[in-house]
Amino acid sequence: AQKITQTQPGMFVQEKEAVTLDCTYDTSDPSYGLFWYKQPSSGEMIFLIYQGSYDQQNATEGRYSLNFQKARKSANLVISASQLGDSAMYFCAMREVRPMEYGNKLVFGAGTILRVKS
Amino acid sequence: NAGVTQTPKFQVLKTGQSMTLQCAQDMNHNSMYWYRQDPGMGLRLIYYSASEGTTDKGEVPNGYNVSRLNKREFSLRLESAAPSQTSVYFCASRRDRGLAGYTFGSGTRLTVV
Repeated sequence: AQKITQTQPGMFVQEKEAVTLDCTYDTSDPSYGLFWYKQPSSGEMIFLIYQGSYDQQNATEGRYSLNFQKARKSANLVISASQLGDSAMYFCAMREVRPMEYGNKLVFGAGTILRVKS
Repeated sequence: NAGVTQTPKFQVLKTGQSMTLQCAQDMNHNSMYWYRQDPGMGLRLIYYSASEGTTDKGEVPNGYNVSRLNKREFSLRLESAAPSQTSVYFCASRRDRGLAGYTFGSGTRLTVV
């Protein structure tokens, strides 16, 4: 069964500094995808970045990058040049790549609350 | 382009009351999902529907039923609400192909007293 572990319940970072949010995963499937979502205090789920298990390079999206270490089964999110608006809950999630009839369900970690200090 | 629309946004129920949470998407997605979010536990899957006419249990299905009314709509029903069902409920849908493709609704905050 799939499992996502986020070991940092809360993190603080100084504005303009970089921060790494940890995520480890467990799956027996060779084909899977890893996601990071941001949930601000308003509650919506905002997609940040995606990494496929067969992708050769780490994913990047603007100030977000995913440090993918397949052998260690880790998919840490790196936010560079933190901004006050980055304060939010961050979720790591995974789906196993299956035929459509299996649903391609997302499994989430417990989340990490990030607070950016000015 | 509305994406995924959930109604209502807020609801207070008394223990034992029933209600249906509505979800509709206008992106022609086949797969739809219902999650609940509780503090410290992330989002947990209640039910999902891989296509119109099919539904399957997720991680925490007890106390809930679902209906995939058509391709657009996927409703979640609480037959006899319990305080343990106090939570924030999210509906999501997924594009069948491509890398990411999950779209979430804005959530329903449900309190059972």
